[in-house]
Formats: sequence, structure tokens, C-alpha cells
Amino acid sequence: EAGVTQFPSHSVIEKGQTVTLRCDPISGHDNLYWYRRVMGKEIKFLLHFVKESKQDESGMPNNRFLAERTGGTYSTLKVQPAELEDSGVYFCASSHWTGQGLVGGNTIYFGEGSWLTVV
Amino acid sequence: AQKITQTQPGMFVQEKEAVTLDCTYDTSDQSYGLFWYKQPSSGEMIFLIYQGSYDEQNATEGRYSLNFQKARKSANLVISASQLGDSAMYFCAMREVIYGKLTFGQGTILTVHP
Repeated sequence: EAGVTQFPSHSVIEKGQTVTLRCDPISGHDNLYWYRRVMGKEIKFLLHFVKESKQDESGMPNNRFLAERTGGTYSTLKVQPAELEDSGVYFCASSHWTGQGLVGGNTIYFGEGSWLTVV
Repeated sequence: AQKITQTQPGMFVQEKEAVTLDCTYDTSDQSYGLFWYKQPSSGEMIFLIYQGSYDEQNATEGRYSLNFQKARKSANLVISASQLGDSAMYFCAMREVIYGKLTFGQGTILTVHP
């Protein structure tokens, strides 16, 4: 079974340009999360999809960030226009949705991250 | 709000020795989950171990064990018989019970010396 896959693995763009990150969750996982770690800081939650719906987007830093999950499968995270402080690693994660909340040892699986450098 | 604190920015251990990485947490939830992840230099986040707040026994996974002290709100990771490949960043995280959102600590860099 394939794990969470993210593309691109690395991206270097100029300030003001646009970048789109893609995440393919594990097949059948309704929960999809985006996290970000900027240099030297802890990993921060960005948003959470349940299927195609945004369950929680409280961590999105500003309106330059737009996440979508059309059809409830893969998700994209677009940064437009990119700023220097957006540099960091963007992680995607997925897990099962039990319908009654997470119970037991339901694990959240992470992708390898998309490393973004804005110059 | 949930909060995770890892007070050790860096730790050193000799190969084959055991090491404990500290994690304390704060939450008003009665039910929650605690995770440890490993992030090697290659960047991926590797799940290590999970402890549920109602689990009576400490979780163990191979060389990893979680020293869970609920009253003290601590969830320390113990790695036994350290290996060179254990050198990595280690993150403690807490999961909210309903939707699974994780709150991470600052991380601890572990270096294993030969």
C-alpha cells in the first residue's frame, strides 16, 4: 500500500511567484492535514480536510494560502504570491475517519514533506 | 488549547546506551492521544509510538517505550540500546480526540556517538 506522497519534494521560487504543492493521501483516508515547519520553529497545523470539506482551517497564516481537495482525494496547497517567510517544509498527513472521532491507536501518517525555499 | 513542551533542544548518547527524551503536555481534554515521531536528515516524519490517555500500560514498540505519567502530564520517550541510525530530530505531539489535529513540541535533536 502506497504511503502519503507529496510533490514536489523541493522547490525554489522567487518572491512574488506562485507555488502549488500536491498531496496524495493513503487510499481510503478521509482525513487529510497540512502542516508547516519554518526554519527553527515547531511544526504548525495549517488545515484539515474531511473528504472534500474543510473541517478546520484555523492555522492558515493568511489569504495568500489556498488549499483544495476536489473530489476528496488528493489535495493542493497554493501559495500566491510567495513571500520569504513562507520558506520551510510543508507536510501532508492522512488518517482514517471513524465517524465518531478517533479512537485507540489510530495513526496519522505523514508524507516526506515538500521543502519550499523562497528567494 | 493544547500545548506540548520539549525542553531538551539537543541530546547526546553513546551507542548501545539508553536515552530518555522529555515531553510534557497541557490540555483540558479528558481524552487525548500522544505520539512520538522521528525526523531523520532525509526529512520524512516516521511514526514511532502512540499512547492513549486511557491506556493503563505504557506503550512499547521494539526499542521504543513511552513513559506515561498522567498526573505529571509527561510522556517521555525512552530509546533503549541506541544505534547510530537513531540520530535524528524527535517530535512529541498531542492529538485532539475528535478530528485528529496534532500539536507538536519544539523537537529534540538526538545525536548518537559511536
